[in-house]
Amino acid sequence: EAQVTQNPRYLITVTGKKLTVTCSQNMNHEYMSWYRQDPGLGLRQIYYSMNVEVTDKGDVPEGYKVSRKEKRNFPLILESPSPNQTSLYFCASSQLTGTGRYEQYFGPGTRLTVT
Amino acid sequence: QKEVEQDPGPLSVPEGAIVSLNCTYSNSAFQYFMWYRQYSRKGPELLMYTYSSGNKEDGRFTAQVDKSSKYISLFIRDSQPSDSATYLCAMSLSNTGNQFYFGTGTSLTVIP
Repeated sequence: EAQVTQNPRYLITVTGKKLTVTCSQNMNHEYMSWYRQDPGLGLRQIYYSMNVEVTDKGDVPEGYKVSRKEKRNFPLILESPSPNQTSLYFCASSQLTGTGRYEQYFGPGTRLTVT
Repeated sequence: QKEVEQDPGPLSVPEGAIVSLNCTYSNSAFQYFMWYRQYSRKGPELLMYTYSSGNKEDGRFTAQVDKSSKYISLFIRDSQPSDSATYLCAMSLSNTGNQFYFGTGTSLTVIP
């Protein structure tokens, strides 16, 4: 089954404790992205990657790091989490389809709480 | 000003009603327009994808894009309780697969 998986699904942590949220896709997609979703603000792109070792900042990259060492994996790293990073995080992957469009597939989300 | 504006609702309609969801945007360079459906505790799933202006129909769903007014709409005919979800509009500048701009989402409830 084609899917994007994220782990963990729920995480409660304390300020300053480094954490990593993993993302993996089994569709051999070139493009992957991380978003955060907050009430009243919608989905905002944190980082995206066009391929292995190619990443770029989205709209809200401060406080986050990413890496793309393998095509299927795109982990999100919070070196020193702060309470304002409490949010619902989504990983997504996309590929150009035969109809000439990019279809994004989203993971199930990771709810992060930083106290 | 946000790039994409969407009325958050909530919107509540009886089963069978026609639903109209809308977004406005400020950047005239947007070319690709999408609607996503997000059920509670799930990730968004792509519903409709449109390039430039015009209409696109898929079953009970119709997407409209009016680039001159910077306005997009999603119509749902014969709405069903299973349509109850949050609907997100999204746009991109070019078909490069990497940057998408989302609205805040409209929460829809279809009452049986």
